[in-house]
Amino acid sequence: NAGVTQTPKFQVLKTGQSMTLQCAQDMNHNSMYWYRQDPGMGLRLIYYSASEGTTDKGEVPNGYNVSRLNKREFSLRLESAAPSQTSVYFCASTPTGASTDTQYFGPGTRLTVL
Amino acid sequence: QKEVEQDPGPLSVPEGAIVSLNCTYSNSAFQYFMWYRQYSRKGPELLMYTYSSGNKEDGRFTAQVDKSSKYISLFIRDSQPSDSATYLCAMSAGVLGKLIFGQGTTLQVKP
Repeated sequence: NAGVTQTPKFQVLKTGQSMTLQCAQDMNHNSMYWYRQDPGMGLRLIYYSASEGTTDKGEVPNGYNVSRLNKREFSLRLESAAPSQTSVYFCASTPTGASTDTQYFGPGTRLTVL
Repeated sequence: QKEVEQDPGPLSVPEGAIVSLNCTYSNSAFQYFMWYRQYSRKGPELLMYTYSSGNKEDGRFTAQVDKSSKYISLFIRDSQPSDSATYLCAMSAGVLGKLIFGQGTTLQVKP
C-alpha cells in the first residue's frame, strides 16, 4: 500500500493563478482532510470529508474549495492564489469505522505564491 | 488562549538522555490523545495513541495522560539521533474533524 499520496510535491504560483492539489489514499478510509502547516501556527484544518459525497469547512476554509471525487480521492483547489496561501499542505485520512480521529498523513505539497 | 499548548523548543539533548515532551490543554471533553512525529520535510506520522487517562508504552516511548491536570507527556528513553524530529501532540473529543494539534516541539539528539 502506498498510503496517502499527494501531487505535486512542490509548486510555485503567481498571485491570481489557480491550481488543484491532488490527494489519494489506497487504505479504503472513509474520512479525508486537508491541512496547512505554517511556522508557529501548527497544523490548521482547511476542509474535511467525512465520507464520499460530503465535505465540511474546517478552521481556515477561505480561499479554498474541495472536491471528494470518490472514496479514494480528495482534491483542494485554490481559485485565485494569494501570497498568504504560501504554506505546506498536507492531506490525511482516517480508517473506516474508527472510534477516534487518528489520522494518517501524506508527504505534503510545498506551495509558494509570489 | 489556545486549546492546546505545546512548548516549541527547540530541545537539544545528548544521545542516551531521557526526553520529556509535554502538552497542556483546556478542553475537558478531550478523550483521545495522540503523539505524532514529523521528520524534516515529511508528513506527520502517528507515534502513540492513548484513550482517556493512564500510561501506554511502546518500546522506548511512553505516553502519559493526566486528565485531572489536563496534561499529557511523551517520554523517550535512551534517545537516539534518529529521534531528532518535531513532535506534535494532538487530541480530540471524538468529534470528526475536530482533532486539535499543538504547535510541535523540535527535538535534536546529538551524538
